[in-house]
Amino acid sequence: AQKVTQAQTEISVVEKEDVTLDCVYETRDTTYYLFWYKQPPSGELVFLIRRNSFDEQNEISGRYSWNFQKSTSSFNFTITASQVVDSAVYFCALSFYNTDKLIFGTGTRLQVFP
Amino acid sequence: DAGVIQSPRHEVTEMGQEVTLRCKPISGHNSLFWYRQTMMRGLELLIYFNNNVPIDDSGMPEDRFSAKMPNASFSTLKIQPSEPRDSAVYFCASSLERRDGYTFGSGTRLTVV
Repeated sequence: AQKVTQAQTEISVVEKEDVTLDCVYETRDTTYYLFWYKQPPSGELVFLIRRNSFDEQNEISGRYSWNFQKSTSSFNFTITASQVVDSAVYFCALSFYNTDKLIFGTGTRLQVFP
Repeated sequence: DAGVIQSPRHEVTEMGQEVTLRCKPISGHNSLFWYRQTMMRGLELLIYFNNNVPIDDSGMPEDRFSAKMPNASFSTLKIQPSEPRDSAVYFCASSLERRDGYTFGSGTRLTVV
């Protein structure tokens, strides 16, 4: 089965807290690609990051960081010092070498309160 | 670049009417995708094109749905006849290379009453 699971349906934090959004994927392919997208209240889907299965280096971009662990089939996303503007639904997604399809998880709604 | 452009942004129509959603991908992108988002089913891929050719339409719900891409800069998704259960946000996305980050349009919110 090829699947993306985001077990956290909704997370609420207070501004400046750190928060981690979990993503677990299933695939038997050896070459695959993982993505995170942000969907703010305005509704558009914003690309955040893409990783390929051969690159397990963690990545940091400002307050955002991603932890890719093949051993646990996880690609978790951490926001450090969260801000109200981070409030959105975050989607993890999976794609493969031999297809353009993007399989999305069900999303995690993050609410950051002032 | 203006990004992926979808029209209309909102559409309200009566059951049984034909609905046409439009998409202009980013210039130079060679793949185009139509997704549908609902509360019940989340984000689901309906169809995608590569170099204007439909590659996978297995996500198209039924024969009432059809999609075309007559050229590299334009695609349509048509629903005929529309039904209330088709109410959803329909996203178009495009990409240049396989497995690059897809760029999504702002979506069309369709309401069928």
